[in-house]
Amino acid sequence: EVQLVESGGGLVQPGRSLRLSCSASGFTFSSYEMNWVRQAPGKGLEWVSHISSSVSTIYYADSVKGRFTISRDNAKNSLYLQMNSLRAEDTAVYYCARGNGYYRHFDYWGQGTLVTVSS
Amino acid sequence: DIQMTQSPSSLSASVGDRVTITCRASQSISSFLNWYQQKPGKAPKLLLYAASSLQSGVPSRFSGSGSGTDFTLTISSLQPEDFATYYCQQSYSPPRTFGQGTKVEVK
Repeated sequence: EVQLVESGGGLVQPGRSLRLSCSASGFTFSSYEMNWVRQAPGKGLEWVSHISSSVSTIYYADSVKGRFTISRDNAKNSLYLQMNSLRAEDTAVYYCARGNGYYRHFDYWGQGTLVTVSS
Repeated sequence: DIQMTQSPSSLSASVGDRVTITCRASQSISSFLNWYQQKPGKAPKLLLYAASSLQSGVPSRFSGSGSGTDFTLTISSLQPEDFATYYCQQSYSPPRTFGQGTKVEVK
């Protein structure tokens, strides 16, 4: 069974940093692209970042470019999101999601981890 | 960036109704269009990918159509468990933008 489990969320002050993790199981992690998607309270879904299976391609939303860094450790079946210079508008539930196949659809999602940026 | 626009933003329907949601891309995305369902407090769930391919385990009352810039999600006979918010997403090019969502509510 495919499982994605996020961790690392919490309350953080503006300007500080936080690192999210996503632990994967039930599939060959190294063969799939991975993504982070976030959802601010009461709002819609916002794609945040993508990393290819081999780390050859990385993309970011403009809203986080230069502040967030996506990475992965295929040996540990883990995906990460390093978030620096956090802002109030980064407050959201952060989901990791597996991208699959030619159409790169997000077929499995974690349960999400809440990040709250507030003083 | 490719903008995705869904309509309507919300709709009210009854069990058994046929429901149609549209999604328009700001430029051609071929068939790189996916649909997700989200219920309150839960992660999104993939319903359809490649505009019209049903994800494994998803009931056949869900269907999708379209290519290029205009797409539709149809629920042929709305069931109680289908009251939720639906999002389209383009996976043609980054950023992999989502539509703003369509909330399907009880009439």
